[in-house]
Amino acid sequence: KAGVTQTPRYLIKTRGQQVTLSCSPISGHRSVSWYQQTPGQGLQFLFEYFSETQRNKGNFPGRFSGRQFSNSRSEMNVSTLELGDSALYLCASRFSGTGGYGYTFGSGTRLTVV
Amino acid sequence: TQLLEQSPQFLSIQEGENLTVYCNSSSVFSSLQWYRQEPGEGPVLLVTVVTGGEVKKLKRLTFQFGDARKDSSLHITAAQPGDTGLYLCAGVKAAGNKLTFGGGTRVLVKP
Repeated sequence: KAGVTQTPRYLIKTRGQQVTLSCSPISGHRSVSWYQQTPGQGLQFLFEYFSETQRNKGNFPGRFSGRQFSNSRSEMNVSTLELGDSALYLCASRFSGTGGYGYTFGSGTRLTVV
Repeated sequence: TQLLEQSPQFLSIQEGENLTVYCNSSSVFSSLQWYRQEPGEGPVLLVTVVTGGEVKKLKRLTFQFGDARKDSSLHITAAQPGDTGLYLCAGVKAAGNKLTFGGGTRVLVKP
C-alpha cells in the first residue's frame, strides 16, 4: 500500500511569507503527527491530529498551525516565516489514536527560508 | 537538555566490527522505538520495545529495553556499509501519543 506522502518535497520561501505543507497518510490511518527536524534541535514534536481534532501540541509559537480534513489528510501552516524555521518537516501517520505504536513517517518537506 | 540522551553522537567503524548505541533517560517510558534515517528521507521504524528487560533481534541488530524502562541499547554485529545512517531512539510516555526523540547517533561503516 502507498506510504505517507508529503508535498512538496522542497520549498524555498522568503522571510515574512507564509507556507502550507501537505501530508496524505496511509489509507485507513486516522492519526497524523508533525515533527520539525533541525541539525541543532533534532526532531521536535509540533502537533498531532486525530479524527480532525488536535489532541497534542508541542512547544512551538502560534505561527505554527495545522488542521486535518475528513479524509485524514493534514496540512500545517507557518506564518511570518523566520530564518530559523528552515528545517525538514516530517509527518507521521498511524491507525490507532492511542499508545505509541505503528508510526510511519513520510519523506518530509525541506523548507528553506531566505 | 534532551529528555532522551543518545551516545555516542557519531561512530565511525570498519566493516565487520560491532557497535553499540545507547539511549538513556531519567524518565520512564511505556514504549521505546528505534529508527534509522537516511539523508533526505524520513525515519524508518526498526523496532518497538514495550516490556522492561525485553530483548528483540532483527538479523544482526539486537535491541534491549532496560528493566526500569528508562534506557535502551542497539547493538549491531558485523556491521556492513548498508548500516550507515542516523539512528534515532524515541520514547512514548504512558497515556501519551507523541514521540520524544533522542538527539541521534550518526553511524558510518567504511568498507
